[in-house]
Amino acid sequence: AQTVTQSQPEMSVQEAETVTLSCTYDTSESDYYLFWYKQPPSRQMILVIRQEAYKQQNATENRFSVNFQKAAKSFSLKISDSQLGDAAMYFCAYRWEGDNNDMRFGAGTRLTVKP
Amino acid sequence: NAGVTQTPKFQVLKTGQSMTLQCAQDMNHEYMSWYRQDPGMGLRLIHYSVGAGITDQGEVPNGYNVSRSTTEDFPLRLLSAAPSQTSVYFCASSSGFTGFNEQFFGPGTRLTVL
Repeated sequence: AQTVTQSQPEMSVQEAETVTLSCTYDTSESDYYLFWYKQPPSRQMILVIRQEAYKQQNATENRFSVNFQKAAKSFSLKISDSQLGDAAMYFCAYRWEGDNNDMRFGAGTRLTVKP
Repeated sequence: NAGVTQTPKFQVLKTGQSMTLQCAQDMNHEYMSWYRQDPGMGLRLIHYSVGAGITDQGEVPNGYNVSRSTTEDFPLRLLSAAPSQTSVYFCASSSGFTGFNEQFFGPGTRLTVL
């Protein structure tokens, strides 16, 4: 079964600095999709960024970018110029079409942004 | 456009009681799903539906029932609540079944079973 591991339960960053959240996953598939979701205290799950495994180019969305290493099965999230509003739980997720489209989530990383 | 809505936001049940968590979306999405979120764990799939009249089990389906009579609604039923079902429940929808489609999540329902 596919599993997603986030090894950092908590991270903190100074406002305006850069932080990287780690994510590794286990799969034997070659075509799949990876996501980062943000969950602020409101509990609302918000999609931050997504990556298709067949694309070698790393996805970027404004201040958010990923480092996708397919061979290493690693999918880290980099947040540049951190803002107070970035404070939240961040979940890494994996999805494969053949597995009933089940989205597998990691346990999450709580990010604190210090002013 | 309200997106995905869930009711209630909070609920307390006694062991053995039954209840239905409501989920509705106004985006005409075919795919809908229910997840539960427990402390220290990511979201886990309970049940999902690929269209009206079609449902299937996810990773943790025991103790829950679903039905999909319309495209818009996807209620989750707890048949006989147990303390192990204390959790936050999220409903989600997406426009297609392919893996890259964004899933839109509701605000969640926090359920406590005493």
